[in-house]
Amino acid sequence: GAGVSQTPSNKVTEKGKYVELRCDPISGHTALYWYRQSLGQGPEFLIYFQGTGAADDSGLPNDRFFAVRPEGSVSTLKIQRTERGDSAVYLCASSLMAVNSPLHFGNGTRLTVT
Amino acid sequence: GQQLNQSPQSMFIQEGEDVSMNCTSSSIFNTWLWYKQDPGEGPVLLIALYKAGELTSNGRLTAQFGITRKDSFLNISASIPSDVGIYFCAGQPISGNTPLVFGKGTRLSVIA
Repeated sequence: GAGVSQTPSNKVTEKGKYVELRCDPISGHTALYWYRQSLGQGPEFLIYFQGTGAADDSGLPNDRFFAVRPEGSVSTLKIQRTERGDSAVYLCASSLMAVNSPLHFGNGTRLTVT
Repeated sequence: GQQLNQSPQSMFIQEGEDVSMNCTSSSIFNTWLWYKQDPGEGPVLLIALYKAGELTSNGRLTAQFGITRKDSFLNISASIPSDVGIYFCAGQPISGNTPLVFGKGTRLSVIA
């Protein structure tokens, strides 16, 4: 498809489990971003990639969160030992370049930790 | 981290009315963007602004990049029911490589 694709659209997991969230960006977009959105809030930055490398991971809340983009296209956000407070919508976005280039978002993965 | 103050938090308007919302920051931004988010979907880009003072329209939407580079507004003229949703402002801080910072959103409800 032409847009950013995120899978799964919904994920329910038990506290303490490991989850992986996948993002397939728009073809040709070099920059890829992960944001987290809690109810009633705007998206909050987690990490972004320029190509294969993480250019800025300052938004990751702790070391349970990790993301990779091994071939410079698809990215996976990994959360270890999930906690109830991790419940949120995880949004992925891509842009043509990292600077002065609008972000195009996917529809997100709604993560619920029970 | 940097924060954007977006107001109002919510609005209830009659169909056909004009709407105005704005965003302010204590620091300077290079870029201002306005997004709309419908339930269960990701934010969709409405307007992008790249220069201080820039005024840009997209159909019934008009947005401006404030001359001080610390604010932006979005106007919607002659609102229709499908304008319902949450509108977010987002800014790119002047350091350039810093990711977009988002406001908390304005929830718009249109009464037919």
